[in-house]
Amino acid sequence: RKEVEQDPGPFNVPEGATVAFNCTYSNSASQSFFWYRQDCRKEPKLLMSVYSSGNEDGRFTAQLNRASQYISLLIRDSKLSDSATYLCAVNKNNDMRFGAGTRLTVKP
Amino acid sequence: NAGVMQNPRHLVRRRGQEARLRCSPMKGHSHVYWYRQLPEEGLKFMVYLQKENIIDESGMPKERFSAEFPKEGPSILRIQQVVRGDSAAYFCASSPQTQGAGNTIYFGEGSWLTVV
Repeated sequence: RKEVEQDPGPFNVPEGATVAFNCTYSNSASQSFFWYRQDCRKEPKLLMSVYSSGNEDGRFTAQLNRASQYISLLIRDSKLSDSATYLCAVNKNNDMRFGAGTRLTVKP
Repeated sequence: NAGVMQNPRHLVRRRGQEARLRCSPMKGHSHVYWYRQLPEEGLKFMVYLQKENIIDESGMPKERFSAEFPKEGPSILRIQQVVRGDSAAYFCASSPQTQGAGNTIYFGEGSWLTVV
């Protein structure tokens, strides 16, 4: 079983749609969780951390379910500029592992 | 800008040659990570290092690949006798010294290796 698993997509959605990505992790001792965004031929950039209580940053909402070992990212009112690959990341003792990424394309 | 610095950004090597990729972490960061990303694929962990120590190299191929992070100077990822399958983007990342929940890592712009 992979340490971090994501649905690879692709997700093709119209502008304004709401889209959700899920990610599962295998190590129950994982300590912290993140979502990164990666544009084509660029480095991954931190989008947001994920907290147990859930957290929101504008149109983006991240949630963590420790019991089920999954994290999610919800994007509301999607924009063309949201088109990218979204990577979930799981950290244990500064050892960070990534999912393979979910590709999102937002179309006019 | 004291971000993670990688060089070279692009490297072309013939089969059988050696490739050396360098990474200078962000100022104040003592943890370095190397990841490989094959075309159209995800980010695969290779190795996690602290100064003069390899903490986790479980993602490194058993042969031809090595990494170091000396007391002075950048971290080096070395690939000997490169083959076409080594063509990929190699990303370095760094994080602060303090451990614990909440620490994230910051990536360099990557080194794109092409083996011809």
